[in-house]
Amino acid sequence: NAGVMQNPRHLVRRRGQEARLRCSPMKGHSHVYWYRQLPEEGLKFMVYLQKENIIDESGMPKERFSAEFPKEGPSILRIQQVVRGDSAAYFCASSPPSGGSSYNEQFFGPGTRLTVL
Amino acid sequence: AQSVTQPDIHITVSEGASLELRCNYSYGATPYLFWYVQSPGQGLQLLLKYFSGDTLVQGIKGFEAEFKRSQSSFNLRKPSVHWSDAAEYFCAVANLLNTGTASKLTFGTGTRLQVTL
Repeated sequence: NAGVMQNPRHLVRRRGQEARLRCSPMKGHSHVYWYRQLPEEGLKFMVYLQKENIIDESGMPKERFSAEFPKEGPSILRIQQVVRGDSAAYFCASSPPSGGSSYNEQFFGPGTRLTVL
Repeated sequence: AQSVTQPDIHITVSEGASLELRCNYSYGATPYLFWYVQSPGQGLQLLLKYFSGDTLVQGIKGFEAEFKRSQSSFNLRKPSVHWSDAAEYFCAVANLLNTGTASKLTFGTGTRLQVTL
């Protein structure tokens, strides 16, 4: 069973361009979380999605950032008009349906390292 | 809002020595607590977790952690450190939705462990 996959692993963009980060959850997982790690900092929650639904986007910047998890295909984190401050590692995690359990472990992908020139 | 504090930014220990990494949390209810390890350029791997029950939990790679409600702490320990343990360690607490299901994780800023031979 393949783990959580993220691509690209490294992404370089110039200021003002768009960045698209993809996350393929583990097989059978229907919950996806996106986290951002700025240099020398811990991970900060951005958004929690289930298939076709945004459950919690309280950590997402109000402008330029959006996320989706369509019925088919990977979850996408989109950053429009990138700025230097967006340079960070973006991690995706997935978990299975709750199935009545109070918590299901989040499995993390290797991350996408975004550099904005 | 919940928070996690890891007071030690950087710790150096000799190989074979014991290790304790500190973690303090702030959370209104019974917390779901986690320790993750991150090797350079990699994603996060779960070391251990605490939900309820026995306050001393065992994890992978010989790690253990003790939940102390009176001190709001969840310190990570290992009796004898190996050079391969050099990495960054993150403590995290899970947020609970209104449904009682745990969702996003709140991370501490991490402790970087260096192991000298």
